[in-house]
Amino acid sequence: AQSVTQLDSQVPVFEEAPVELRCNYSSSVSVYLFWYVQYPNQGLQLLLKYLSGSTLVKGINGFEAEFNKSQTSFHLRKPSVHISDTAEYFCAVSERTGGFKTIFGAGTRLFVKA
Amino acid sequence: GAVVSQHPSWVICKSGTSVKIECRSLDFQATTMFWYRQFPKQSLMLMATSNEGSKATYEQGVEKDKFLINHASLTLSTLTVTSAHPEDSSFYICSATLTGATIAYNEQFFGPGTRLTVL
Repeated sequence: AQSVTQLDSQVPVFEEAPVELRCNYSSSVSVYLFWYVQYPNQGLQLLLKYLSGSTLVKGINGFEAEFNKSQTSFHLRKPSVHISDTAEYFCAVSERTGGFKTIFGAGTRLFVKA
Repeated sequence: GAVVSQHPSWVICKSGTSVKIECRSLDFQATTMFWYRQFPKQSLMLMATSNEGSKATYEQGVEKDKFLINHASLTLSTLTVTSAHPEDSSFYICSATLTGATIAYNEQFFGPGTRLTVL
């Protein structure tokens, strides 16, 4: 069984400051890792994904994440946030063995203040 | 590409009635679609996996007679909430995965969600 833990339920940050949203996972098999963003009353949009290869993954809107296998982490970072980045962010994991089933973390609410 | 739509985007119904929510992949074929439920300020909870032409696979604790899922074609899956009650009020989101041998990973494309309010 797999699980995803997002360590912070809310992260307030000032505009133009850097931010890190933390995600840890557990799984008995190799996994794919994802970060999604959800704006109010909308579906999820893929920010970035780790499939294989380089552990540093760059996504849309200036976000990046680093896969750390030994620490089973996949933290999301952005060097300078904007007001428009205020949203809910979900880390997700999917086993490589197929079935396409994806487990989501509880989410982190990023609130960017002026 | 890879757009998923849901209809309706919101619905209000009376307790005891049934509501059907449609999930369509607009520009691709999706062998597999997923249905999620999301309560306010919470994460997505997988309800069921819907495969075209076969019965849906429900997650533990999800009543299959309550939440009827039909996946009649490669572009359409429907979720029917039968005899809805106020506790069924929630945000329902579907997703679809691309079909094809060239797909190296299982990225899901999400619909915009349907907000159901049962009075």
